[in-house]
Amino acid sequence: QVQLQESGPGLVKPSQTLSLTCTVSGGSISSGSHYWSWIRQPAGKGLEWIGRIYGTGSTNHNPSLKSRVTISVDTSKNQLSLNMSSVTAADTAVYYCARLPYSGYAFDYWGQGTLVTVSS
Amino acid sequence: SYVLAQPPSVSVAPGKTASITCGGDNLGSISVHWYQQKPGQAPVLVIYYDDDRPSGISRRFSGSNSGSTATLTISRVEAGDEADYYCQVWDTSSDQAVFGGGTKLTVL
Repeated sequence: QVQLQESGPGLVKPSQTLSLTCTVSGGSISSGSHYWSWIRQPAGKGLEWIGRIYGTGSTNHNPSLKSRVTISVDTSKNQLSLNMSSVTAADTAVYYCARLPYSGYAFDYWGQGTLVTVSS
Repeated sequence: SYVLAQPPSVSVAPGKTASITCGGDNLGSISVHWYQQKPGQAPVLVIYYDDDRPSGISRRFSGSNSGSTATLTISRVEAGDEADYYCQVWDTSSDQAVFGGGTKLTVL
């Protein structure tokens, strides 16, 4: 059973960089069978896709966030990471990592999510 | 980018059938996926590729997609079905996932 677990600071100051890690267990992040995504959800609002990465490191992102977002993988640790620069209060949200089959377009496994608050 | 429209809320009595719609331009030509999200929990995939159910999802959940509307149908609704439901597609023109705004299902 694949499990995903997000981790990182719960509080980030405005203008700084948000950094999160997602640890994958029960499967290899570099298996070639899946993409790995970040998705966020502000309190009381809907889901917003941030971006995805393949085990080789190839990525694509939500155009609305692209210039601020970096997604990477560490295959030795079976982890993916999210860095989001120049954060504002609008970036306050629960951040999820999720698995996406390589040949599919539905997110079949999700982490429990981690709340990040942007505040001074 | 592609836009998906969902009604903000749907109410249904226990034991009845709930239908949650998702609208988009020529939606029937692309695959739609549905997620259930209960308060404080991560979303759970309940329907993928319009009408397939992942292992472990009740047969009471079904989906359809035609024209400009996809529908998630929940038969014999139970109190435990009360949740937010999101539709999602992959916009191949911009190569990104797109979610609908979500529908809150209330069981009366």
